[in-house]
Amino acid sequence: DAGITQSPRYKITETGRQVTLMCHQTWSHSYMFWYRQDLGHGLRLIYYSAAADITDKGEVPDGYVVSRSKTENFPLTLESATRSQTSVYFCASSVSWLDEQFFGPGTRLTVL
Amino acid sequence: LAKTTQPISMDSYEGQEVNITCSHNNIATNDYITWYQQFPSQGPRFIIQGYKTKVTNEVASLFIPADRKSSTLSLPRVSLSDTAVYYCLVGGPGDGGSQGNLIFGKGTKLSVKP
Repeated sequence: DAGITQSPRYKITETGRQVTLMCHQTWSHSYMFWYRQDLGHGLRLIYYSAAADITDKGEVPDGYVVSRSKTENFPLTLESATRSQTSVYFCASSVSWLDEQFFGPGTRLTVL
Repeated sequence: LAKTTQPISMDSYEGQEVNITCSHNNIATNDYITWYQQFPSQGPRFIIQGYKTKVTNEVASLFIPADRKSSTLSLPRVSLSDTAVYYCLVGGPGDGGSQGNLIFGKGTKLSVKP
């Protein structure tokens, strides 16, 4: 089906482990984004990508790594998970930087 | 960086008009204002976007005064299904052609009662 998907939808991991959250979109949108959503903070931009092989930091990039080898995929990796990274993570895509963003259903990550 | 401030929550009744205001005192010349709606366990969904004055679509209106330091999302005749969290987003291209920032507000939880 067309759209934007995220996997897994739920993930429990332990402190220090590496975790990768997947994001896939079928629209061939140039831009893709990763946000985290926490109570009291709303949505905060972690990383974004303007095209394949072009990525840049957002507001809260520390502790995260991204890559974009293909236009449709934008994985987010926590190289050594910490409890403070417990959050709901949303991926989004758009045609351009300011255009309407289409969000995925989110991944709820718990770090024990 | 533009910082956005919204009321934490609002209550309304079915059939009423609801106005949610977002304050963004440090908005940059090139920044746009966008509003999103989010239901529980879902990603946010685009509602409306504007730069100045008034924008209207089939679901909402967006009012932006001349100084652009605030914006108001107006939802006409709300129904129970409009109960959600509403976020304002301020963002635009950066200086020198570089990408700017995308700053979401912390969201306004709207509760619509029968």
